[in-house]
Amino acid sequence: EPEVTQTPSHQVTQMGQEVILRCVPISNHLYFYWYRQILGQKVEFLVSFYNNEISEKSEIFDDQFSVERPDGSNFTLKIRSTKLEDSAMYFCASSEAPSTNEKLFFGSGTQLSVL
Amino acid sequence: DAKTTQPNSMESNEEEPVHLPCNHSTISGTDYIHWYRQLPSQGPEYVIHGLTSNVNNRMASLAIAEDRKSSTLILHRATLRDAAVYYCILRLSGNTPLVFGKGTRLSVIA
Repeated sequence: EPEVTQTPSHQVTQMGQEVILRCVPISNHLYFYWYRQILGQKVEFLVSFYNNEISEKSEIFDDQFSVERPDGSNFTLKIRSTKLEDSAMYFCASSEAPSTNEKLFFGSGTQLSVL
Repeated sequence: DAKTTQPNSMESNEEEPVHLPCNHSTISGTDYIHWYRQLPSQGPEYVIHGLTSNVNNRMASLAIAEDRKSSTLILHRATLRDAAVYYCILRLSGNTPLVFGKGTRLSVIA
């Protein structure tokens, strides 16, 4: 079965550093998402991306965050200047179409630790 | 956002059926009912979804009440690998994102 792949699985960074989390969505999917989950808390929506632009973003997704689809296969999340509270598991997801009848496929996540 | 209410936790014996309830009394006519689960240390995984009729797939069954104000996810024979947090989510009309609540933590006892 096709899957969403995320790299790296673990990322450790110093506060104030920039990090880029990478995702390869399923190849025929057109709608991409980032979610995060702080340890012991809910899975939180960050941003959705369709047709090379942001479709929706949450309050969490402030100016420190950006997303990009630099080529035909990768989808990235950049955090410009990391804070301690950015430590979380970050999940990428994709779906075939932006529809309420569509299912999302999630990657296994990148654990980001900000020291 | 339309909200769902689920029990915080449930327990099941291995190889017995499990019925996971979800209340969504403010559901609107075009909202789909989605179920996802999250196994320990993994990303969420799609389980099943439906609109009005009951649905079956290889993982589970979804029973939707006639008034659509509640639904039940049915695992026909729980295994230890089904131990996870199960999320009942209303996918609102339009291009709205999937919004996760706290879900139900299912423990399966051997």
